[in-house]
Amino acid sequence: DTGVSQDPRHKITKRGQNVTFRCDPISEHNRLYWYRQTLGQGPEFLTYFQNEAQLEKSRLLSDRFSAERPKGSFSTLEIQRTEQGDSAMYLCASSYRGRSYEQYFGPGTRLTVT
Amino acid sequence: ELKVEQNPLFLSMQEGKNYTIYCNYSTTSDRLYWYRQDPGKSLESLFVLLSNGAVKQEGRLMASLDTKARLSTLHITAAVHDLSATYFCAVDMGAQKLVFGQGTRLTINP
Repeated sequence: DTGVSQDPRHKITKRGQNVTFRCDPISEHNRLYWYRQTLGQGPEFLTYFQNEAQLEKSRLLSDRFSAERPKGSFSTLEIQRTEQGDSAMYLCASSYRGRSYEQYFGPGTRLTVT
Repeated sequence: ELKVEQNPLFLSMQEGKNYTIYCNYSTTSDRLYWYRQDPGKSLESLFVLLSNGAVKQEGRLMASLDTKARLSTLHITAAVHDLSATYFCAVDMGAQKLVFGQGTRLTINP
């Protein structure tokens, strides 16, 4: 499978716990994006990387959220001290700057905070 | 702040009919995306429209872009049940950071 992959697909956690999600982009894609989607809404941009550099963070990304992309390959999104309002689908997408404008989405990680 | 509005938000139609989904956006952008999402699934890319006047067609779906009017349309021709899904438009606010509309939930009845 050469698409964007995400792990885990589902995560149930208790309020106050930390969680970490992983995204593996399409090989050679130099841009990687994180979005959050709540029920009945469109995805909202959270942050993006070009290679290993995190170039922009949305104001939606509170201090409890951190993202990394070591060596410009896979990325992780960590949420510390989860709150019920963090329950959502977290989507990762990747693209190749300078080649095509297509942005491909992964299957998402559905987070439920109880 | 870039705002993207779709209408209608809900659309129920019969097989065989034609309909159009509208996507308006508030600030200048030259790139607009259409995605399809099935319940509980991720987003499937349908079209990327890269310039004013761009028109793309795939099967029963056709998308167009008018950057001067800040309007894109997704036209469905002779709808079939398999097209039932939620359709999102998204506008590029630079570096392919996308701002999505609320989505149009399309139900096609036999």
